Amino acid sequence: DTAVSQTPKYLVTQMGNDKSIKCEQNLGHDTMYWYKQDSKKFLKIMFSYNNKELIINETVPNRFSPKSPDKAHLNLHINSLELGDSAVYFCASSQVTVSGELFFGEGSRLTVL
Amino acid sequence: GQNIDQPTEMTATEGAIVQINCTYQTSGFNGLFWYQQHAGEAPTFLSYNVLDGLEETGRFSSFLSRSKGYSYLLLKELQMKDSASYLCAVKDSNYQLIWGAGTKLIIKP
Repeated sequence: DTAVSQTPKYLVTQMGNDKSIKCEQNLGHDTMYWYKQDSKKFLKIMFSYNNKELIINETVPNRFSPKSPDKAHLNLHINSLELGDSAVYFCASSQVTVSGELFFGEGSRLTVL
Repeated sequence: GQNIDQPTEMTATEGAIVQINCTYQTSGFNGLFWYQQHAGEAPTFLSYNVLDGLEETGRFSSFLSRSKGYSYLLLKELQMKDSASYLCAVKDSNYQLIWGAGTKLIIKP
């Protein structure tokens, strides 16, 4: 069983289009995240949800909108895609423990042409 | 500002030992993590240090000195499958993770 799964794994689209990435975790974790990893490999936090409530919303364009229908799901919708949005987007989850390590999904590679 | 520094790339030989350093300047400290990321894959958790000293898990060990803002990841008996990027991350006073850019480790036969 995949702990954190996200779909699709690959996304190729034109500038100006709208796309969504879905994420589900079956670990029973309370917190879920969206990260962006660019070509320089920096992992940048975009959003964090705890029990369906937004707790981090880093400075990202409002073209990006997260939605959490329940604590096991955190989807990412992107409007009016731009070239600079090309990156790998990782979903992750964690539990409130001493370490609280992250469990990552496999990533969704978005290419905007 | 908050900052995590680690070397961009290191090369080591199969069977040898390699130490990957990480220095950090953050607003507060609530633990340091090491993650491994193979090319094209997701990061996976390796270790967590919150107190000074050495934590060992199999061939991998992680060391922390909070007073120096310093950690290292030690990999012993290197195998070809250890070729990957190693990411250092620190939880700050708000429990937010600050990430380094990662160290790409190349293992040669």
